[in-house]
Amino acid sequence: EAGVAQSPRYKIIEKRQSVAFWCNPISGHATLYWYQQILGQGPKLLIQFQNNGVVDDSQLPKDRFSAERLKGVDSTLKIQPAKLEDSAVYLCASSLVGQGNTEAFFGQGTRLTVV
Amino acid sequence: AQSVTQLGSHVSVSEGALVLLRCNYSSSVPPYLFWYVQYPNQGLQLLLKYTSAATLVKGINGFEAEFKKSETSFHLTKPSAHMSDAAEYFCAVSDKGGAQKLVFGQGTRLTINP
Repeated sequence: EAGVAQSPRYKIIEKRQSVAFWCNPISGHATLYWYQQILGQGPKLLIQFQNNGVVDDSQLPKDRFSAERLKGVDSTLKIQPAKLEDSAVYLCASSLVGQGNTEAFFGQGTRLTVV
Repeated sequence: AQSVTQLGSHVSVSEGALVLLRCNYSSSVPPYLFWYVQYPNQGLQLLLKYTSAATLVKGINGFEAEFKKSETSFHLTKPSAHMSDAAEYFCAVSDKGGAQKLVFGQGTRLTINP
């Protein structure tokens, strides 16, 4: 089966510019996650959706970051305006609904460089 | 709040030698624990997970991990390293189970020497 698709793979922007990332989860996965992975660190959860509703966005910097999941399938993550410290890999993951034995499947990520 | 500490940001072993990657966790509730592997320019792939069943968990590619509550540890081992094991390994904890709100450690880069 097809995995989690993300685009673009790489993006370079200047600080104060805007950028958007796109994610297409595995078919049938109601839960979608966006993680930020700064170089040398583990991924950090930014936001979790279940269908098109937000379950957890407690670590999303809402003054500059926004995310949406229209129709409960694809999702976009936007940064406006970008700062130098936003340079990171942005990982999208998806899973079936539920706890216990659910597994998150990760995309290859989008590497953002802010200069 | 949960947290994970991975001891050693870099581990280097010879091909055929034992691999031991250390992970200690902190959780106020019985945790769900995971090990993920990340190859260069790839996403994360689940190696194994502990979900309160057997304390010794076997995963893919010959890896296994043992949950030790008294030591709050979940160390990853493999008896004999292979060149293809070279990658970044992340330990993660969740208090909600499954894929929910994973908290990751900072990662351990494993290098295999021929």
